[in-house]
This record gives sequence, C-alpha cells and structure tokens, in this order.
Amino acid sequence: GENVEQHPSTLSVQEGDSAVIKCTYSDSASNYFPWYKQELGKRPQLIIDIRSNVGEKKDQRIAVTLNKTAKHFSLHITETQPEDSAVYFCAAQLNFGNEKLTFGTGTRLTIIP
Amino acid sequence: GAVVSQHPSWVICKSGTSVKIECRSLDFQATTMFWYRQFPKQSLMLMATSNEGSKATYEQGVEKDKFLINHASLTLSTLTVTSAHPEDSSFYICSARDPGLAGRNEQFFGPGTRLTVL
Repeated sequence: GENVEQHPSTLSVQEGDSAVIKCTYSDSASNYFPWYKQELGKRPQLIIDIRSNVGEKKDQRIAVTLNKTAKHFSLHITETQPEDSAVYFCAAQLNFGNEKLTFGTGTRLTIIP
Repeated sequence: GAVVSQHPSWVICKSGTSVKIECRSLDFQATTMFWYRQFPKQSLMLMATSNEGSKATYEQGVEKDKFLINHASLTLSTLTVTSAHPEDSSFYICSARDPGLAGRNEQFFGPGTRLTVL
C-alpha cells in the first residue's frame, strides 16, 4: 500500500519567516495530496490540496508544490504568524475511486513571536 | 462546506465495557465513511472504511470483531469498541467525502471522540 513520509517532525520558525514541510509518497498511482492543520484536540482542517495534474497551487500565504517524478510534495507557509502554530499533516490518496487517505507522520510547527 | 458530526465528543468507560461512537453527515449523503484512530502526538491511522449497506473494510491489524462498524443509512455510521481496554484509549475521528461536490476530493472530518478506558 501507500506509504507517506513527512519531515521535519518539529519546526520552529521566527514570526514573519517562511516554513517548509516536505513529504514523499511511494505509490505513483496516488493523484491527490491534501494538507491538514490540526490544533490540539480538534479535527484536522484542510488548508490546501493539489492534484497530480498540477505542479503548484497557492492560496494567499500558503502554497503547495508537487514533483510527480520524484514523488514528493511540499507545503510552504510565508509570513508566518503565531496562529500558524499547530500540527500539520500531509496525505496522499491513491486514486479517485479509492478515497482512502494515507497520512504522513505530522510536523509540529511553532511560530516564535 | 459539508459538515460531519460525531457523538459523543468524549467518553470515559470501565475496562470490559463497550462504547458506541456515532458519525453523521449533516448536509450530505455519504455512501462511504472512514474511521481513524489517533494516539497522542501521533498521526491519523485509518482503521476501516465504512460502506453503506455492506460490510466495512478493515485495515490490516485492526480486529473487526473488536471494532464493530455499522453504516445503516447514508448519513450515519457507528463504531462500537467492544470489551474496551486501556490500550483502546485514543482519539477516534471519522470522515466522509461529499459526492455532491463534483470534482472535489476533499474529505470532511468529524470533531473526534476522546475515549478513555479506565
């Protein structure tokens, strides 16, 4: 089955700087890659997603890039703010018919004021 | 966006008892729902895929007789943890995709249920 690796496990960034989280996946048939933000004790919230037919997607301060050949994708957060502090998970979905998501191990992002 | 609810939000039970957790899609019909378990400071691990009107599909290593899943309607799936033990204490989260959102793969998550087994 699909295997998703995520790095780093923890990340501390000065407020205003950028944060980058990277994930790799194993199954080349995966074609949907969402990123979730989870605050303590809360549900995961989708912050951005990308399909395999697109190399990059941006939504204000958040962007995701995908390299299908290398089977890795990255989350970029610019101009970080204290409220960006949370745990971030990447995930991969095998194909549209099989909706099962495989999650990465998570990155605890701390924004230092 | 689509809304998924869970009940209860937290539950404490004695070892050996059974606990039922409900997952509801409030404004859409979901033929498929997913159940995840999340231990502290860990990722979400898929336990099973709940299929309306048919048997659930369990992930490797998940005991189907211990974690009973019933998806009796298009808006409700239940997870019953039978003969719960302290090691079953975890955060249980369900999710579903709204098939009415054509072209979107997004899954919507419930708020989770914190289970503590004494």
